[in-house]
Amino acid sequence: DAGITQSPRHKVTETGTPVTLRCHQTENHRYMYWYRQDPGHGLRLIHYSYGVKDTDKGEVSDGYSVSRSKTEDFLLTLESATSSQTSVYFCAISERGLSSYNEQFFGPGTRLTVL
Amino acid sequence: GDSVTQMEGPVTLSEEAFLTINCTYTATGYPSLFWYVQYPGEGLQLLLKATKADDKGSNKGFEATYRKETTSFHLEKGSVQVSDSAVYFCALSDQGGFKTIFGAGTRLFVKA
Repeated sequence: DAGITQSPRHKVTETGTPVTLRCHQTENHRYMYWYRQDPGHGLRLIHYSYGVKDTDKGEVSDGYSVSRSKTEDFLLTLESATSSQTSVYFCAISERGLSSYNEQFFGPGTRLTVL
Repeated sequence: GDSVTQMEGPVTLSEEAFLTINCTYTATGYPSLFWYVQYPGEGLQLLLKATKADDKGSNKGFEATYRKETTSFHLEKGSVQVSDSAVYFCALSDQGGFKTIFGAGTRLFVKA
């Protein structure tokens, strides 16, 4: 199994509070991604990173920011959480980036509930 | 834009039954196609892939053929087991693009 951990695994928070989710990898893969999983929507890309301090937006980036100061860590921050951000969040990594032959390895997920 | 459409679930089968989960896609160019599987409480993991037309991906008894003429990548297994109960996601990745697009997922229940 690819070495990917996410923390916390579960979190309940209140509307308006800031939340940071952490993804940590031990594979030294260059590319890292944050997705959210919601019923009926599959996985939707929030942000991705193609190197230290190099990040870009995905299709559902509003209300989220990311940072990557080290190869192994990719942080997702909700500056002011809203109920619409209640979801399961997955981190993924890959070595060859988003090319045709890319295989993504996923972490175990973080279940976030915003009350 | 690019998209993936897969059959809605849940799909409920008895053990040893034949499985088909339909997947069709819309894409420009020549995408690569994937099936990922998600077991309860876990992240997704790659099940199989095909990178060009007429390629057949296979793994663990599952297979899918890249059909460009019908823009389809249907997942099949000849005899399912209880342990195959999971959510299956069809996905595509644009050649040289920057994202993988996932279908909504199909939940499979296999009864003993």
